Amino acid sequence: TQLLEQSPQFLSIQEGENLTVYCNSSSVFSSLQWYRQEPGEGPVLLVTVVTGGEVKKLKRLTFQFGDARKDSSLHITAAQPGDTGLYLCAPRMTGGTSYGKLTFGQGTILTVHP
Amino acid sequence: EPEVTQTPSHQVTQMGQEVILRCVPISNHLYFYWYRQILGQKVEFLVSFYNNEISEKSEIFDDQFSVERPDGSNFTLKIRSTKLEDSAMYFCASGQETSGRTDTQYFGPGTRLTVL
Repeated sequence: TQLLEQSPQFLSIQEGENLTVYCNSSSVFSSLQWYRQEPGEGPVLLVTVVTGGEVKKLKRLTFQFGDARKDSSLHITAAQPGDTGLYLCAPRMTGGTSYGKLTFGQGTILTVHP
Repeated sequence: EPEVTQTPSHQVTQMGQEVILRCVPISNHLYFYWYRQILGQKVEFLVSFYNNEISEKSEIFDDQFSVERPDGSNFTLKIRSTKLEDSAMYFCASGQETSGRTDTQYFGPGTRLTVL
């Protein structure tokens, strides 16, 4: 059973601040996806990281996959109120009997105050 | 832009009643999923569906649950005899592929089910 931990669970910051959220596990993954979920909506895919050590940027968001492919981080620069939401990581596995199901972490609830 | 739609947005039912949650996946997608999110908890996988049959299901998806694709557009989740603990947001998702590595799932806005 994979143990997936996201931290922090809650993050409340002022507009313009930087922040980093983490997704850690004891398992090795073939890839990892980050989703954002806003209140009253379903999760929306932000990025998929595949290679150990990979860094991807999406405007002010920087995603990194750990060298060992067991962890990932999401860094937001100069956060804005529109970044408010629940950030979820979903490690992906290949092989076995997985048919694409997503296993989400608990998520980090980010609130950016104007 | 195509999107997954779900109806109703909110369903209130009495314990023991049957409910059917409806989803219209994106039209050219082949893989369909249901997830649920109990208030304050994480999004949990329920079931995946491909080629008119269940591909995978979780421990949550017991005999009280069933899924169906009755026509070319709808994908439904039925709960036969609802329990209080079934109260949750139910999300439908669809995708074009299931490489398990880089495929994208598109989520609907969810149906909030409240069991009284």
